[in-house]
Amino acid sequence: EPEVTQTPSHQVTQMGQEVILRCVPISNHLYFYWYRQILGQKVEFLVSFYNNEISEKSEIFDDQFSVERPDGSNFTLKIRSTKLEDSAMYFCASSEEGRVETQYFGPGTRLLVL
Amino acid sequence: QKEVEQNSGPLSVPEGAIASLNCTYSDRGSQSFFWYRQYSGKSPELIMSIYSNGDKEDGRFTAQLNKASQYVSLLIRDSQPSDSATYLCAVLSGGYNKLIFGAGTRLAVHP
Repeated sequence: EPEVTQTPSHQVTQMGQEVILRCVPISNHLYFYWYRQILGQKVEFLVSFYNNEISEKSEIFDDQFSVERPDGSNFTLKIRSTKLEDSAMYFCASSEEGRVETQYFGPGTRLLVL
Repeated sequence: QKEVEQNSGPLSVPEGAIASLNCTYSDRGSQSFFWYRQYSGKSPELIMSIYSNGDKEDGRFTAQLNKASQYVSLLIRDSQPSDSATYLCAVLSGGYNKLIFGAGTRLAVHP
């Protein structure tokens, strides 16, 4: 069964460093999302992406964050200058045309900022 | 601010019993509702979606929706220890594709 994959599974970084989280959505899916979940808290929407542009972003998704689809398979989230409060699980999700509302989540990347 | 509310639990049920999980939402324009299961340290796994008032059954799971009361529920029949997880209610934000999640209800099924 096709699934969303994410790399790395864990990332430890120093405050102020840049990190890139990578996702490979399900191959025929056209809508892509990033969510995050701080330990013990709700899953929160960050950004949605369709047709090579951001369709919506949350208040969390400030200028430190960016997304990109560098090729036909990868979808990346970049955090330019990490802060301690960026420590969280980051989930990529995707959905297909015609069933946009049904989002399938990847296994997540656990980011720890020291 | 659009909200999704769930009782955090834990909800403890014996094996074989029915577990009942509830969720309320604030956005009257919402049309799509989902239940995800999340094991500790893992990602949300979609288990049910519901779009119309009434009940929708899938195996041991039944989702119930009442748009007038802004209420969604999930029933798990014949609960198994492997059902022990956090159940997340999610609502698709009206007009966009973002999911708004509740904080989740932790379910513990004991043998």
